[in-house]
Amino acid sequence: QKEVEQDPGPLSVPEGAIVSLNCTYSNSAFQYFMWYRQYSRKGPELLMYTYSSGNKEDGRFTAQVDKSSKYISLFIRDSQPSDSATYLCAMSRGGYQKVTFGTGTKLQVIP
Amino acid sequence: EAEVAQSPRYKITEKSQAVAFWCDPISGHATLYWYRQILGQGPELLVQFQDESVVDDSQLPKDRFSAERLKGVDSTLKIQPAELGDSAMYLCASSGRGSSLSMNTEAFFGQGTRLTVV
Repeated sequence: QKEVEQDPGPLSVPEGAIVSLNCTYSNSAFQYFMWYRQYSRKGPELLMYTYSSGNKEDGRFTAQVDKSSKYISLFIRDSQPSDSATYLCAMSRGGYQKVTFGTGTKLQVIP
Repeated sequence: EAEVAQSPRYKITEKSQAVAFWCDPISGHATLYWYRQILGQGPELLVQFQDESVVDDSQLPKDRFSAERLKGVDSTLKIQPAELGDSAMYLCASSGRGSSLSMNTEAFFGQGTRLTVV
């Protein structure tokens, strides 16, 4: 079993829809949770970063962490065609510990 | 804005040849990572440096892969000999030495080197 599980999709939604992306994990030592966005043929770019449980909002993006369920989510409101990309969840125990990634969910927002 | 620089962007090499990738992290970042990303999968850590020291190379195929960061700044990843299964995107990332431990977790990635072994 992988430490981090993520549905690869693809996920196709109409423009303006609310998108929900999710990951589950098995390592209870993870404390830092990140979402990266990766456009085709590009490196991942950090989108959201959360420590421990709770919510964090940044514009149209909201990240949620439920450590009791080992479940994290990224919500995208009013989705735009420019949001079409692969979204990678990532997590770490913190400090200088390595960052472990999910497989990524490919999202397509249709105009 | 500071970026992680990688070169080359693309590399095609024949099986059994040697290939090398270069990475220059964001200035001042102590931690440097090399990840391999196979198409359709998430990045997988190959090696992690803290300054010039290797802190994790447990997933690095040491019979053919080597990595160095001699002065604790830029880094080189080498594959010799390359195999067909090495075709992938090789990503370099760096993170900072912040005032809190959390700052060292935010990894910033370069554009990657796409390797094709034929």
